[in-house]
Amino acid sequence: TQLLEQSPQFLSIQEGENLTVYCNSSSVFSSLQWYRQEPGEGPVLLVTVVTGGEVKKLKRLTFQFGDARKDSSLHITAAQPGDTGLYLCAGTNTGNQFYFGTGTSLTVIP
Amino acid sequence: ETGVTQTPRHLVMGMTNKKSLKCEQHLGHNAMYWYKQSAKKPLELMFVYSLEERVENNSVPSRFSPECPNSSHLFLHLHTLQPEDSALYLCASSREITGDSYEQYFGPGTRLTVT
Repeated sequence: TQLLEQSPQFLSIQEGENLTVYCNSSSVFSSLQWYRQEPGEGPVLLVTVVTGGEVKKLKRLTFQFGDARKDSSLHITAAQPGDTGLYLCAGTNTGNQFYFGTGTSLTVIP
Repeated sequence: ETGVTQTPRHLVMGMTNKKSLKCEQHLGHNAMYWYKQSAKKPLELMFVYSLEERVENNSVPSRFSPECPNSSHLFLHLHTLQPEDSALYLCASSREITGDSYEQYFGPGTRLTVT
């Protein structure tokens, strides 16, 4: 059973387009993180959200934590080729167990 | 050096070989992790160490043997591996293993190929 399901699994878009990636669970998480991983490298932490309904912005990236703390979304505005990579959500549930999501592989075509 | 480093970056080994992967963190963290990342599969947590004690072992075969001599170093000893063990092995560290302190910082990984 995969506690954190991400969608879509694969996404290929043109430079300049907007996109949203989703991370969903039936469990409540006390905190949730987003990572980006480039080929041949380890994941890099982008943001942590801890409060239901919280919105954080990182340049063209907007992260939202669901009100019930069961889901999160990552929205990218005007995607650039440098945004290409594997996006992973990860979270700590109320039982203090930590999980990674299934991942979304994003390709931005110049 | 800063952050989390891993050596070697690439490793090719036969099924009868014995090798070790090394991880070092320069962040002053208390927890360290080994993950396996295979193509088209989610990250698989293998081992967790907190303050040099193993706190989690997710049913990993005994041909993988971790060692944490101190809070800055983590090893993964490999012996009699199988071809399906070929993957990217990632090391990570975090301040603690609770709540927000679970924010993890990853090394670049070791790309392992078992022939």
